[in-house]
Amino acid sequence: DGGITQSPKYLFRKEGQNVTLSCEQNLNHDAMYWYRQDPGQGLRLIYYSQIVNDFQKGDIAEGYSVSREKKESFPLTVTSAQKNPTAFYLCASSYRDRPTYEQYFGPGTRLTVT
Amino acid sequence: DAKTTQPNSMESNEEEPVHLPCNHSTISGTDYIHWYRQLPSQGPEYVIHGLTSNVNNRMASLAIAEDRKSSTLILHRATLRDAAVYYCILERSGGSNYKLTFGKGTLLTVNP
Repeated sequence: DGGITQSPKYLFRKEGQNVTLSCEQNLNHDAMYWYRQDPGQGLRLIYYSQIVNDFQKGDIAEGYSVSREKKESFPLTVTSAQKNPTAFYLCASSYRDRPTYEQYFGPGTRLTVT
Repeated sequence: DAKTTQPNSMESNEEEPVHLPCNHSTISGTDYIHWYRQLPSQGPEYVIHGLTSNVNNRMASLAIAEDRKSSTLILHRATLRDAAVYYCILERSGGSNYKLTFGKGTLLTVNP
């Protein structure tokens, strides 16, 4: 079955540690996205990538880094510079070369930093 | 980006139709209207999208006002599984930024 996988589902880290969240898709989508969701809030865009080896900052990129070395993979690193890293992180992917498109979301990773 | 306005919450009874409203008075001619929904502790799920004409799919219908300043997502027969947060989003086509901006959405409660 095609889809997006995120791992792990739950992640616990100590403050000051960098942590990398995994996102893999087998939908042959060109574009991939990372969002952050805080309790009771909508989603906010962290980074997005339209093609391999290229990515752009979203609305809240500070304290995060990404890479896009393969079409299928778009890992997100939450660095120690991120002031409030505890949140629900969602990865998504979509086609790119269309007038509009739908985004397919993964199940999310809930990160807790103490 | 153009903004959307949705009620914070709505309630419905099982097997009854549900009309979820969305205002987008600053919509431009190239903005598509998207609806997504999010079940608790899950990623959002695409529901439907449209540009000018009303749209139907297996999940829902989208009714778009003639002036495009508002739209309504219609669930024809609500089930308990439809209880979720519903997001109305505008997406500008043809640009280089393939971004969707999610607001707080409408929390739909379905009563048995």
